[in-house]
Amino acid sequence: QVQLQESGPGLLKPSGTLSLTCAVSGGSISSSKWWTWVRQPPGKGLEWIGEIYHSGSTTYNPSLKSRVTISMDKSKNQFSLNLSSVTAADTALYYCARRPVRSSGGGLDYWGQGTLVFVSS
Amino acid sequence: DIVMTQSPDSLAVSLGERATINCKSSQSVLYSSNNKNYLAWYQQKPGQPPKLLIYWASTRESGVPDRFSGSGSGTDFTLTIDSLQDEDVAVYYCQQYYSTPYTFGQGTKLEIK
Repeated sequence: QVQLQESGPGLLKPSGTLSLTCAVSGGSISSSKWWTWVRQPPGKGLEWIGEIYHSGSTTYNPSLKSRVTISMDKSKNQFSLNLSSVTAADTALYYCARRPVRSSGGGLDYWGQGTLVFVSS
Repeated sequence: DIVMTQSPDSLAVSLGERATINCKSSQSVLYSSNNKNYLAWYQQKPGQPPKLLIYWASTRESGVPDRFSGSGSGTDFTLTIDSLQDEDVAVYYCQQYYSTPYTFGQGTKLEIK
């Protein structure tokens, strides 16, 4: 059973950089899957942030593209999210998730429990 | 960006009855080369991450009860929940994964009447 677990600071100051890690167990991030970040502001809907393929190829949401970087560490079987110049608008529950390639389905089939990041001075 | 619009925003259905949630995309999410609609449905209960119910618009994820079904093609899609159970109370989201950014609908809150 694949499991994902997010970790990282829960409180950030404005203009700081959000750094989160998603540890994957029960499966390899070197498999042919996309590894995704999604966020959800408190009481609101879901926003796709971006994803990274096992090859290292990345795709980002243009609304965040200038501030976001997703990377992976195959030796630790984990992937990471960096979001720079954060503001209160980046306060959200951040989820990591796995997405099979579209020819095998393509929906986000495994999710972490999420980690709440609060941006405040 | 493809805009996903769900209707209604909320609905209340009696136990044992049918619930229907609609999702409309601003452009087609049908991939012509394989005739697959790149549309997924998720269920999110309070305090939990979303759970994948349906992918390719109508294929149930493994382990999802068969009272959940998806239909539609192109730009118009429907999630149907037959014989509503207590445990189906949740917010439901559609998502297109046809083109990035992979956008979600705003969510539909389902309650028991």
